[in-house]
Amino acid sequence: DAGVTQSPTHLIKTRGQQVTLRCSPKSGHDTVSWYQQALGQGPQFIFQYYEEEERQRGNFPDRFSGHQFPNYSSELNVNALLLGDSALYLCASSSRWSNQPQHFGDGTRLSIL
Amino acid sequence: LAKTTQPISMDSYEGQEVNITCSHNNIATNDYITWYQQFPSQGPRFIIQGYKTKVTNEVASLFIPADRKSSTLSLPRVSLSDTAVYYCLVGDKQGTGFQKLVFGTGTRLLVSP
Repeated sequence: DAGVTQSPTHLIKTRGQQVTLRCSPKSGHDTVSWYQQALGQGPQFIFQYYEEEERQRGNFPDRFSGHQFPNYSSELNVNALLLGDSALYLCASSSRWSNQPQHFGDGTRLSIL
Repeated sequence: LAKTTQPISMDSYEGQEVNITCSHNNIATNDYITWYQQFPSQGPRFIIQGYKTKVTNEVASLFIPADRKSSTLSLPRVSLSDTAVYYCLVGDKQGTGFQKLVFGTGTRLLVSP
């Protein structure tokens, strides 16, 4: 049973570019959350998707957007990249109807030059 | 969401028991306490979750006093592979079935031979 998978594992972009990160949730999970983790910091909540709609959002600008597909997989899009967007981007999945904890993928390391 | 406070770092030796205490003075009635472990360049991994008293699984124990304003993660007989960052989180499902995890800076545990 595959856990949460994210792609790509590493990515290098330049300022001003756009990037799309992908996430496949753990089997049986229907809710996907995205987190940004800067070096030496704890993960920070970006937003959460359920039934293809954004349900909650953290304190991130509109440059950060997402999408959830009918098969529950999700994408995180970041436009107009800034140097400060360099971070590990983590996807976590969970089940809407369960009190079980969120399961995390190993993230995408995004470096902005 | 309740804020948590944990020691920034802890040192231990192989074979010792490690106790990491987390303070969460503003914990709400519906909040659960959850601990995650994170290795470098990996996503957080769920360790244990509890609501009150004591919870034990195959890797750790979680002690929660009656007032629930703090909790202690206990790792029995640590090994070098337990060197990681440990995060304490509190939160419920926001009444809507969705859980937004709020991470602090965590406790960096270093286990030495």
